[in-house]
Amino acid sequence: NAGVTQTPKFQVLKTGQSMTLQCAQDMNHNSMYWYRQDPGMGLRLIYYSASEGTTDKGEVPNGYNVSRLNKREFSLRLESAAPSQTSVYFCASSRTSGSEAFFGQGTRLTVV
Amino acid sequence: EDQVTQSPEALRLQEGESSSLNCSYTVSGLRGLFWYRQDPGKGPEFLFTLYSAGEEKEKERLKATLTKKESFLHITAPKPEDSATYLCAVRGPLPRASGGYQKVTFGTGTKLQVIP
Repeated sequence: NAGVTQTPKFQVLKTGQSMTLQCAQDMNHNSMYWYRQDPGMGLRLIYYSASEGTTDKGEVPNGYNVSRLNKREFSLRLESAAPSQTSVYFCASSRTSGSEAFFGQGTRLTVV
Repeated sequence: EDQVTQSPEALRLQEGESSSLNCSYTVSGLRGLFWYRQDPGKGPEFLFTLYSAGEEKEKERLKATLTKKESFLHITAPKPEDSATYLCAVRGPLPRASGGYQKVTFGTGTKLQVIP
């Protein structure tokens, strides 16, 4: 009964390095999301995939790219990490676009 | 622009001391209001969805209510295990394009601490 699984749980990057955050869901959900959570700012949508084969920008997409690999998997890539990308990242999925979401455990990313 | 404001930012209760958390919102065409619970170091966990004014939902010691401008999360006789951050989110209108995103806006949460 895994739900939404994201890896890694923690990561430290140097400025300019790249990395990919992985996410997989086993609930047969159509929609998937990447959020970042910063103190005092709430959850902000980075990118979403309303259904397999589609992706689109959310509220704060700059500096990120995504790939919806198949119905289960949705990855987030930082091409050239910046200190402003230090945050906690959450992957989520939902049965349909905008319906109640189920979240992964989060990735705590620090860019130094 | 859709907005969600939660109050108070933090709340400290004695075990058994009932209280309410508030979520005020402005959205053009509310299509649902969500409550989530978030424990430290974990992702948000879905609690309730409310769709229309007057609707109520309950789960154990929690009851969520909805009016046209705000939602309340009532906590009756809380226990220490109810300590968490409670997030509210609103879903806006259906997208114009088929298959598009139905925007969800989150509040910043209320951090609840229940003291034994």
